[in-house]
Amino acid sequence: DIQMTQSPSSLSASVGDRVSITCRASQSISRYLSWYQQKPGKAPKLLVYAASSLQSGVPSRFSGSGSGTDFTLSISGLQPEDFATYYCQQSFSILPYTFGQGTKLAIK
Amino acid sequence: QLQLQESGPGLVKPSETLSLTCTVSGGSISSSSYYWGWIRQPPGKGLEWIGSIYYSGSTYYNPSLKSRVTISVDTSRNQFSLKLSSVTAADTAVYYCARQADRTPLWGGGADFDHWGQGTLVTVSS
Repeated sequence: DIQMTQSPSSLSASVGDRVSITCRASQSISRYLSWYQQKPGKAPKLLVYAASSLQSGVPSRFSGSGSGTDFTLSISGLQPEDFATYYCQQSFSILPYTFGQGTKLAIK
Repeated sequence: QLQLQESGPGLVKPSETLSLTCTVSGGSISSSSYYWGWIRQPPGKGLEWIGSIYYSGSTYYNPSLKSRVTISVDTSRNQFSLKLSSVTAADTAVYYCARQADRTPLWGGGADFDHWGQGTLVTVSS
């Protein structure tokens, strides 16, 4: 299996801040990397696919970058509704698709 | 607007079979552009992909669960279903169904889950 490791596991920030979350794959996954946002008691929501393509309807303050093994999700100008847990997911290897362990973004 | 809704028992006894159905509304499960998948999340933990199915019935499963998983599709009812046999407490989780977008036409590969059901908690306990 391709292991996906996110860092940090948790972070705190203030409204208006810019934050970045990193996802590292155990082997190259080209650009087959997606990012999701999950709020408590809710299903995950797709934010970014193909490493840097913004899903329709997602605010432009979210951006993704990277290729190969190292990827970043950045959020500029944090809004109150952005405090949530974020997951990365690789689809280079379909057996199986794997997710990172999650990064919890909390209000400072 | 596409909606997915999971249904099924919330409590399953150990060694028995977990059965869930996902009903798709606002779109056709027979669309050639999408697969349909199941993902689970144990309480307080991360996400695990279980398996996916195409409207034709073609399936692929997480190798760690493959011996216990069956996913099927009923295009006449716009539904797909999950069966997980011989469950244990480790199978206690919120189970999500989701639409799986295939990014191959534009990116040469890749897939992600762009629409999700609300999830249903299944507890394995006697």
